Amino acid sequence: EPEVTQTPSHQVTQMGQEVILRCVPISNHLYFYWYRQILGQKVEFLVSFYNNEISEKSEIFDDQFSVERPDGSNFTLKIRSTKLEDSAMYFCASRGQGASYNEQFFGPGTRLTVL
Amino acid sequence: LAKTTQPISMDSYEGQEVNITCSHNNIATNDYITWYQQFPSQGPRFIIQGYKTKVTNEVASLFIPADRKSSTLSLPRVSLSDTAVYYCLVGDIQGRRALTFGSGTRLQVQP
Repeated sequence: EPEVTQTPSHQVTQMGQEVILRCVPISNHLYFYWYRQILGQKVEFLVSFYNNEISEKSEIFDDQFSVERPDGSNFTLKIRSTKLEDSAMYFCASRGQGASYNEQFFGPGTRLTVL
Repeated sequence: LAKTTQPISMDSYEGQEVNITCSHNNIATNDYITWYQQFPSQGPRFIIQGYKTKVTNEVASLFIPADRKSSTLSLPRVSLSDTAVYYCLVGDIQGRRALTFGSGTRLQVQP
């Protein structure tokens, strides 16, 4: 069964450093998303991406964040200057064309720890 | 987006049927009801989706009354591996909208 993959599984960084989280969505999917989940809290939407541009973004997704689909398979989330409060699990998700927006496929996540 | 309310936690034993009810009084005509499951340190996983009456798949059943102001996720004969957080989401399935997760229901299955 096709699945979304994410790398690395765990990233430790110093405050102020840049991090790039990588995702490989399911190959024929066209809609891509990033969510995050701070330990013990809700899953929060960050950004959605379609046709090589951002479709929607939340208040969390400020100028420190950016997304890119550099080639036909990868989807990346960059945090330019990490803060302590960016420590969370970051989930990538994708959805196929024609599927309902409710049916998104999530990756296993990247645990980001900012020291 | 319709606000949803579901129990914070539930306990069950292996082999029992578990029913988790979600209230969504402000559901709109175009809204569908979707349930996701999340195991610790994993991403959410789609379980089931419905609009009205009853939907069943290999994992669960979803019961939706005629007024659609609530829905019940039914898990038959749970096992220890069903211990997870279950989220009820309500929204229009058209377009590219993001998912909005609430706090979910933490189901603990005991032996």
